[in-house]
Amino acid sequence: AQKITQTQPGMFVQEKEAVTLDCTYDTSDQSYGLFWYKQPSSGEMIFLIYQGSYDEQNATEGRYSLNFQKARKSANLVISASQLGDSAMYFCAMRVHDSSNTGKLIFGQGTTLQVKP
Amino acid sequence: DAGVTQSPTHLIKTRGQQVTLRCSPKSGHDTVSWYQQALGQGPQFIFQYYEEEERQRGNFPDRFSGHQFPNYSSELNVNALLLGDSALYLCASSLFLRLDGRHYEQYFGPGTRLTVT
Repeated sequence: AQKITQTQPGMFVQEKEAVTLDCTYDTSDQSYGLFWYKQPSSGEMIFLIYQGSYDEQNATEGRYSLNFQKARKSANLVISASQLGDSAMYFCAMRVHDSSNTGKLIFGQGTTLQVKP
Repeated sequence: DAGVTQSPTHLIKTRGQQVTLRCSPKSGHDTVSWYQQALGQGPQFIFQYYEEEERQRGNFPDRFSGHQFPNYSSELNVNALLLGDSALYLCASSLFLRLDGRHYEQYFGPGTRLTVT
């Protein structure tokens, strides 16, 4: 079964420090995509970063980087130099490649990040 | 460039009633997916529409139905509302996944928060 697991319900980080949010996934597919989204209290899901299963290098987008360890089936998000505006819920998601070709996303339970001033 | 828009923002309904939620995709996108996000949970895939047809459905009863119009906008209908239908309903738009596409994003709207009393 395809599944995303986020084991950290809540995390705290001091402003300007780095933080790692954990994500493990389960799939038997060889081709898949992994996403991280940020969801502020307003509710909108904001795309942060993407990693394809065949990408050899870890993805980076500004202060966000994805630590992709394929053999361990983990895709941790690293946020460097945390800012107060980073306080939000963070979701790891996997895009499945099935016969329907819809590319639906499977989400984890989320991690609430609070940045302390 | 307008992003994904959803209406209404908030909605309160009574058990047994019917509700219609609306979504306009990001300019240039032809595919709309609907997700249900219960409080404290990750979003769950409801279904996806492309070329005015339902392409795939998640584990949701027939009370949940949808429609896509020629201009790619979409509606989500829920009949015989239950208390458990209270959630944030997210619409996501994208380009239909091409087999040669390595990466595409699903852009999410701000959501409609439905409360069933």
